[in-house]
Order: sequence, then structure tokens, then C-alpha cells
Amino acid sequence: SAVISQKPSRDICQRGTSLTIQCQVDSQVTMMFWYRQQPGQSLTLIATANQGSEATYESGFVIDKFPISRPNLTFSTLTVSNMSPEDSSIYLCSGKFHYGYTFGSGTRLTVV
Amino acid sequence: KQEVTQIPAALSVPEGENLVLNCSFTDSAIYNLQWFRQDPGKGLTSLLLIQSSQREQTSGRLNASLDKSSGRSTLYIAASQPGDSATYLCAFIKAAGNKLTFGGGTRVLVKP
Repeated sequence: SAVISQKPSRDICQRGTSLTIQCQVDSQVTMMFWYRQQPGQSLTLIATANQGSEATYESGFVIDKFPISRPNLTFSTLTVSNMSPEDSSIYLCSGKFHYGYTFGSGTRLTVV
Repeated sequence: KQEVTQIPAALSVPEGENLVLNCSFTDSAIYNLQWFRQDPGKGLTSLLLIQSSQREQTSGRLNASLDKSSGRSTLYIAASQPGDSATYLCAFIKAAGNKLTFGGGTRVLVKP
């Protein structure tokens, strides 16, 4: 199965700053997704990252806050902008393959 | 809207006991079901994928069943080990859709 490398694995950031999370897939994948997991909660889909077009955001998430890039079929980034303590979460990327979904190792973000 | 419920939310068993984790859903129009494992602060590891035409999948000590008519999936882990301690998440892909809908997870502790 494919492997998705995600970085950074964790970071502590000051409020008001931005953090960009990267995911690199070792094979081409058409559909990639970004999730947020708040403390003690399950995963919530932020957006679907489309290659060659804008990301599709779920209700409650906007491009200005979570801009996404998908320059090719093996790479995507998520930026968490103008961070506040409420953005402290684990962020995960995922790819859809014929055998199911594979996830990156997650980015644990703490905003202070 | 598809709702996914996992019961129990937490489970503690002595080493060697069999684990039974339940996942129920409200909409029978599912395409695939996937079980994941998540270690604290980490990403998701795929365990088993059951396609809608299948009733179960097995991998080593793990067996997952799917009963669409009753809206249930069950993950069995035989002869549990302390290394099985983690949170287990089920997720559905609705027919004709690509988004995973997650349950809240079951946090498992296997005591030596």
C-alpha cells in the first residue's frame, strides 16, 4: 500500500502566525483529503484537495483560514492561518486508493 | 445525514481476552467500510476494508464483519495483547461518494 509522509509531526506556534503542513505520497493519487481531529474527538473533514483546481471545503471551513495547494498528484499542503488556541488539534492528510484510504502520520499543532 | 456510532466508547480487558468492537450506521447505502487504528497523538493505520458486496474480512487476529441490513459492523480481535491498546475507528464511504464518515472511536486498553 502507498505511504504518505507528513511533516512536521508536531509544532508549537504563537497565536496570529501561520503553519504549513506538507504531505508527500510515494505514488500518484487522484483524491487527497485534509482532516482535523480536536482533542478527544473523532476526525472532521476540512476539504478535498483537487489537483489543478481549488479545494472543495466542508461546511464551517473556509479557504482564507485553511488554504490548500495541490500542485501535482503526489503532493499537497494545508496552511492553518492566523492561528488561535482553538486551532490546537491534530491535522491529518489522506489519500484514496483502490484498496481504501491511507493516512499520513499526523501533525500535532499546539497554539499558545 | 449518515451517522456513525461506536459502542463502547472505552474498553478495558485483561491480556488474552477477545475484543469485540461495534460500529452502527443509519444509512444502508454505503459503498465501503474501513476500520482504522490510532495510537495517541498519531495518524491512522488501516486495518481492514470491507466492500459493500462483502460480508467480512480477516487479517491475522483481526476479523471484521458487515451487515448492511442491520446497519452494523463488528471488529473482532482475538487473544488481545497489550500492544493492541489504541483507539479503533470505523469509517464509511457512502455510495457514489468519496468522503469518509467516522465514528467516535473506541478506546481500548489491554492490561498485562
